[in-house]
Amino acid sequence: GESVGLHLPTLSVQEGDNSIINCAYSNSASDYFIWYKQESGKGPQFIIDIRSNMDKRQGQRVTVLLNKTVKHLSLQIAATQPGDSAVYFCAETLNTGGFKTIFGAGTRLFVKA
Amino acid sequence: GAGVSQSPSNKVTEKGKDVELRCDPISGHTALYWYRQRLGQGLEFLIYFQGNSAPDKSGLPSDRFSAERTGESVSTLTIQRTQQEDSAVYLCASSPAGTANYGYTFGSGTRLTVV
Repeated sequence: GESVGLHLPTLSVQEGDNSIINCAYSNSASDYFIWYKQESGKGPQFIIDIRSNMDKRQGQRVTVLLNKTVKHLSLQIAATQPGDSAVYFCAETLNTGGFKTIFGAGTRLFVKA
Repeated sequence: GAGVSQSPSNKVTEKGKDVELRCDPISGHTALYWYRQRLGQGLEFLIYFQGNSAPDKSGLPSDRFSAERTGESVSTLTIQRTQQEDSAVYLCASSPAGTANYGYTFGSGTRLTVV
């Protein structure tokens, strides 16, 4: 079935460096995308979202980029901190009569002190 | 409540037994979602409620799985005749409306282990 996938299953970065987590999605009809952060033993936590009519959105230390031409989504984390260590999921939302959100497999981010 | 609450947080059951997992969404959230997360994997969509009705049940893996929601509030996910492959974390999420425009607020999940 259709799914959202990630290029890298794990990413290790030095504290203070910038992190880039990539995601490929397959459904061109998706109109809303979200990045979630999941820490061990907890449910996913909303980080930032972007609509399909945008190509960039910035939050606090995070930026999401959307390239609809190649169906690619990325999450950039500036000045990565140890507290950023988690699994990050991208997700796309489809209108199927309800709103189904499809999650990717996730990327584990390790921040080295 | 202040967040999405799920109970129990952990459940160990014997193969073949039935289990019920409970989700209390944020008060006023009309949309409620159930996902399954196997160890080290992503989230697998199970079912979505808008109010008390389920417009999308396409993710339920078999007829052993069912879910209901009452009073546009609490939802229960029931797994009958549990199998070892049902072992996973079951996550519930809610959102203010059926648009996911604000993203979902997730509970901490119920970790189900079938032995």
